[in-house]
Formats: sequence, structure tokens, C-alpha cells
Amino acid sequence: QQQVKQSPQSLIVQKGGISIINCAYENTAFDYFPWYQQFPGKGPALLIAIRPDVSEKKEGRFTISFNKSAKQFSLHIMDSQPGDSATYFCAASGETGANNLFFGTGTRLTVIP
Amino acid sequence: DTGVSQDPRHKITKRGQNVTFRCDPISEHNRLYWYRQTLGQGPEFLTYFQNEAQLEKSRLLSDRFSAERPKGSFSTLEIQRTEQGDSAMYLCASSLAGTALFGYTFGSGTRLTVV
Repeated sequence: QQQVKQSPQSLIVQKGGISIINCAYENTAFDYFPWYQQFPGKGPALLIAIRPDVSEKKEGRFTISFNKSAKQFSLHIMDSQPGDSATYFCAASGETGANNLFFGTGTRLTVIP
Repeated sequence: DTGVSQDPRHKITKRGQNVTFRCDPISEHNRLYWYRQTLGQGPEFLTYFQNEAQLEKSRLLSDRFSAERPKGSFSTLEIQRTEQGDSAMYLCASSLAGTALFGYTFGSGTRLTVV
């Protein structure tokens, strides 16, 4: 059973455009929602994370929007660049990330020049 | 500190053989996690340690899998009697308890191919 559902599976965006990736969860005990970026041959790297007490968090070109009532959260990448081309995973865990993370299935982002 | 190191990076083994992977976490991190990632999927939790104690194991961790973290430093993951379904990327991550908001640091993984 997939604890975190992620869409789309793949995304192609023009350079300078906005990339949007969506995730949904069911477990209301989740209280930590990170996004990871993974390049081929590398392990995932933390990009940005949010807790449910805020509805939005922005770090540079990356923004997480969080809708607690809908149990959904999304990643927005503004001014997308070819270097952003990677696979992005949303994840969730309880106890503020103290224990194991449940990952989505990933979104392969391609930013074309 | 060079981050989380995993060795080997790649391993090809014949079905039925035993394999062992090593993970060296960031030195001050007391939590260490093992995940498995198959092609086109997100990482799946296998097990985690706090110091030398193994605190949680996923049902994915069958009896053929065993993990250790002697002295709370490096960790090993052993798979006995490998099967083709064990082919995957095995990822190790570490964190400092109480600072999980900063996320795990993952290693680059060990890619296992069982032929």
C-alpha cells in the first residue's frame, strides 16, 4: 500500500517555466513532509521540508504548498533550469521525521533549454 | 567530513550467494537507516539503528537480510542466499536524533545485480 501518492510520473518543462509536482497522503499521524532531489547514480538529497503548522515554505526557487485538510502537498520550482533536471521524491513521516520516511514513487523532471 | 560512504558502489552476484554491504555514516550522526530502491520507485525503508541498537525493521526485511551496527559506528547489511528479486539499489542514510527536521543524509548507494 502506497502511503504517499505522487504525480505526475514525468514532467517536461521549458527553461524559465514553473514545475509543479503533487503528493497526497492518508495517514494523519504524518507531521513532516520533505522533498528530495535525486540525480542518476546518486542518493536522494534533501531539498526542502515542511511541517503541517504552516501552509507554505519557500527557499529560493523552491516552494512547498501544504493543504492539511486535503492531505495534499506540492512542490513548485520557479524559473526552472536545465540543472534542475532530476527525479524528485516527496516523502512523509511521523514524529517530525524521527523515524522512517515513506516516499512517493518519484517524478522525473526534464527542463529543456 | 565527506558525508555518508557506501561500499561497494556496484555488486554483481550469482543467485544463491551471500553479499555484504558497508555504510559509514557521518561521524557525529547517531541514527543510521537502510533503504532499498528499485528502478522507477522511491526508496523503501528496511531498518534503522540508534547507536548500536536496531530499533525498527520493516516487514520487507526477510530472514535472509541482517543488519548490524557494532559500536554504533559503521553498519553492514548482509543478504544471504540472494534472489533475483533482491536486485536493487541499497541506500544508507544517517541523521542526528533530535534534528530530523534537517533530514537524512543519504549515501550514493550500492547497486546490487543478482544474475
